Amino acid sequence: DQQVKQNSPSLSVQEGRISILNCDYTNSMFDYFLWYKKYPAEGPTFLISISSIKDKNEDGRFTVFLNKSAKHLSLHIVPSQPGDSAVYFCAASGGGNTPLVFGKGTRLSVIA
Amino acid sequence: DVKVTQSSRYLVKRTGEKVFLECVQDMDHENMFWYRQDPGLGLRLIYFSYDVKMKEKGDIPEGYSVSREKKERFSLILESASTNQTSMYLCASSLGGDQNIQYFGAGTRLSVL
Repeated sequence: DQQVKQNSPSLSVQEGRISILNCDYTNSMFDYFLWYKKYPAEGPTFLISISSIKDKNEDGRFTVFLNKSAKHLSLHIVPSQPGDSAVYFCAASGGGNTPLVFGKGTRLSVIA
Repeated sequence: DVKVTQSSRYLVKRTGEKVFLECVQDMDHENMFWYRQDPGLGLRLIYFSYDVKMKEKGDIPEGYSVSREKKERFSLILESASTNQTSMYLCASSLGGDQNIQYFGAGTRLSVL
């Protein structure tokens, strides 16, 4: 049973517009949520995270929103750039040494 | 900067061969992980280790084993490679703690013929 779900396998956005990537989770024990970005033939790189006690975290063009009651988080990229084209993974952490639980990823294509 | 190094970027092996994938991290992290990534299936956890000589099964351990003799090194072993083990293999390490941010290596693309 998937605990972290990214229901959109792909997303296409025009350069300069907003990209919104969504993620849902089922386990209310998760304390932190992370986003990773992955280019082909490279390992995923950490992008941004949010604690369950917050509802928003911002880092430059990237903002993550968390709605705990809905068990939903989203990553907003504004403005989108062609270099943002990658696969984005949502992950959740129960803290300590437990492994992250990853979604299946969303492939973002930013079209110039 | 955290560095996680995987020994090979590309490997081609024959069915039935024993295959070793090596991973080294330089940040004194307690935890290390092995994943495989396949199209449409995301990242699936094979094994992880939170201390030297400790190992825990992940979601898909069948056909794999691991070794952690030193803190910085975590090896993935395919005892008898099969074609369905053709995949991208990713190693990661983390310090643990609340966020438990994992840092990944560049990956090894393994083809089993």
